[in-house]
Amino acid sequence: GQQVMQIPQYQHVQEGEDFTTYCNSSTTLSNIQWYKQRPGGHPVFLIQLVKSGEVKKQKRLTFQFGEAKKNSSLHITATQTTDVGTYFCAGRTSGTYKYIFGTGTRLKVLA
Amino acid sequence: NAGVTQTPKFQVLKTGQSMTLQCAQDMNHEYMSWYRQDPGMGLRLIHYSVGAGITDQGEVPNGYNVSRSTTEDFPLRLLSAAPSQTSVYFCASSYRDRGIGELFFGEGSRLTVL
Repeated sequence: GQQVMQIPQYQHVQEGEDFTTYCNSSTTLSNIQWYKQRPGGHPVFLIQLVKSGEVKKQKRLTFQFGEAKKNSSLHITATQTTDVGTYFCAGRTSGTYKYIFGTGTRLKVLA
Repeated sequence: NAGVTQTPKFQVLKTGQSMTLQCAQDMNHEYMSWYRQDPGMGLRLIHYSVGAGITDQGEVPNGYNVSRSTTEDFPLRLLSAAPSQTSVYFCASSYRDRGIGELFFGEGSRLTVL
C-alpha cells in the first residue's frame, strides 16, 4: 500500500537557523498537504500543493512539490521559537479519498 | 461555529470493554475520518466516510467499527478494547469537492487500555 516517509524524525536548531523536512511517497500523489502540530495540540493545516514542481511561500515557510509528484519539502528560514512543533506531510493518490500521513518531523528551536 | 468536536477527551478502559468515541462537525462537511497517533508513527488512518451512509477502511481498521447515519456525526466504536489500542485518536473532516480539501481536526481523545 501507499507509504509516506519523512526525514529527519527530529531536528534541533538554534533560533535563527534554517530548517528543512523532506517527505517521500512510494506512489505518485494527486496532491500533498502539510500540517503543524504544537505539543499537546492537534494538527493544523498549513498548505496544499497540487501541481508538479509547484512552489508556494508563506512568510518564512517555503513548500515544494517534486516534478514527479512523489516528494515534497518544507523549508523554514530563520526559525523562531514559535516554530516549535511536529510537521507532517499528508499525501493522497488519485481516485482515493485517503490522506496518508508521514511519520512527522519534530522541530525544537533553542533560544 | 464549534468546528470538530470530540468526546470524551480522556478515557481509561479495561481490556475487553467496549466504548464509542464521538465526533461531530458543524461545517456541513461530507468527508470525515478517524486517525490514531502513536509516538514515532505519525497519524494512521483507521476509517473514513465520504458521506452519510458511506464508510470505508483506512490503513489500520481492525478492531474498530464506524457508521455514518448523518452528515454531522461519525462515531468510532471499539468492540473489545485491547492494550494495543492505547493511543490518541483524532477525528478530521473536510469538504469534498474535486477531491478532499484541508482536514479540520478535533482536539483529540486520549484512550488508555489497561
